[in-house]
Amino acid sequence: DADVTQTPRNRITKTGKRIMLECSQTKGHDRMYWYRQDPGLGLQLIYYSFDVKDINKGEISDGYSVSRQAQAKFSLSLESAIPNQTALYFCATSHGQGSYNEQFFGPGTRLTVL
Amino acid sequence: GDSVTQMEGPVTLSEEAFLNINCTYTATGYPSLFWYVQYPGEGLQLLLKATKADDKGSNKGFEATYRKETTSFHLEKGSVQVSDSAVYFCALLNSGGYQKVTFGTGTKLQVIP
Repeated sequence: DADVTQTPRNRITKTGKRIMLECSQTKGHDRMYWYRQDPGLGLQLIYYSFDVKDINKGEISDGYSVSRQAQAKFSLSLESAIPNQTALYFCATSHGQGSYNEQFFGPGTRLTVL
Repeated sequence: GDSVTQMEGPVTLSEEAFLNINCTYTATGYPSLFWYVQYPGEGLQLLLKATKADDKGSNKGFEATYRKETTSFHLEKGSVQVSDSAVYFCALLNSGGYQKVTFGTGTKLQVIP
């Protein structure tokens, strides 16, 4: 079974709709992240959370919000989707103890906003 | 701020050819360096890492050496296989602040039989 799961895997929606992307992990990690991937731009950090009560904006948080419902769950919402939010979205987790810890990624959600 | 620059792709090689993907970085302090690989339709997964200068990370025949004097972390493999076709991301993690990971833009590798 996958350690980091994302739902849905694919989503097509229309401009102005509210969308929620969900991420769950069974790794027991306290840190969770949301990234978006665009061709030629690598990964850009949207939001990150170091524990349930700690939420922080990343590089490109405008137009997005998040909710950390539990240690294992971290949701990303687009309140009013727009076409330039069409991208591949990844959730990631990492262990909070010590430094230099790798991040573990989910399989991604491909979002298309028409 | 921190940044990672890696060679643009796509890179097309014949099976058993030598692979080199350049990666250079700019960072304050002493970051850890990573190579992640993304196979088609999947998320990123860690390929190898190095946490201090002169460390060599290695995995599945891939190697990269942390060169502080040239701020580089080039990825190499002596003989690539078709199954190595993927997108490769160089990344750094700075221990300061909130431990943000900075990714390069990725290099697509295609290995042909």
